[in-house]
Amino acid sequence: SYVLTQPPSVSVAPGQTARITCGGNNIGSKSVHWYQQKPGQAPVLVVYDDSDRPSGIPERFSGSNSGNTATLTISRVEAGDEADYYCQVWDSSSDLWVFGGGTKLTVL
Amino acid sequence: EVQLVESGGGLVQPGGSLRLSCAASGFTFSSYDMHWVRQATGKGLEWVSAIGTAGDTYYPGSVKGRFTISRENAKNSLYLQMNSLRAGDTAVYYCARAFGSGSYLNWGQGTLVTVSS
Repeated sequence: SYVLTQPPSVSVAPGQTARITCGGNNIGSKSVHWYQQKPGQAPVLVVYDDSDRPSGIPERFSGSNSGNTATLTISRVEAGDEADYYCQVWDSSSDLWVFGGGTKLTVL
Repeated sequence: EVQLVESGGGLVQPGGSLRLSCAASGFTFSSYDMHWVRQATGKGLEWVSAIGTAGDTYYPGSVKGRFTISRENAKNSLYLQMNSLRAGDTAVYYCARAFGSGSYLNWGQGTLVTVSS
């Protein structure tokens, strides 16, 4: 089955840029979606189809996808961005929906 | 406003059954694929099942043969029948509305299922 690999944790100072990676075999051929989840809350979609943002999501959140790595980039990080972030794809070859293991973003 | 409200969670013994429900509002329910996603305490998100607008269903190997997803469009409702439950099925279960190429734009608040003797 298709596997997505994320780093367990990423730390960044306020105002800096955070980059969270999601690795998968030829992930560049798939549409990657990213979710933010804060403690005790349901996930929130922050980027879909590699780089699109749902209404209401700040422009500070952006995404890219190429080769074997997709990346969520959070610019000008704020304390409120501290959360778990998950990447997700639909594997069309097996009709399975797959999540990465999640990355805890810590704002120093 | 889109709303998804899960119910039916609770404590069940290993080997037991439980039926989760998800009441949808604020959108044309019959026009969207719907999914269940779960999360064990302190763990990541795990996709559990999906149902298309035509009633086609999909499951990962971990629940195939034990869980059944269904929908009742007339009642704007999604269901998950869970049989032969195991301790490893203990989690918060979310229903989610699928969007575009398989993303989840809307999520419910989740319902907790605990499998324990």
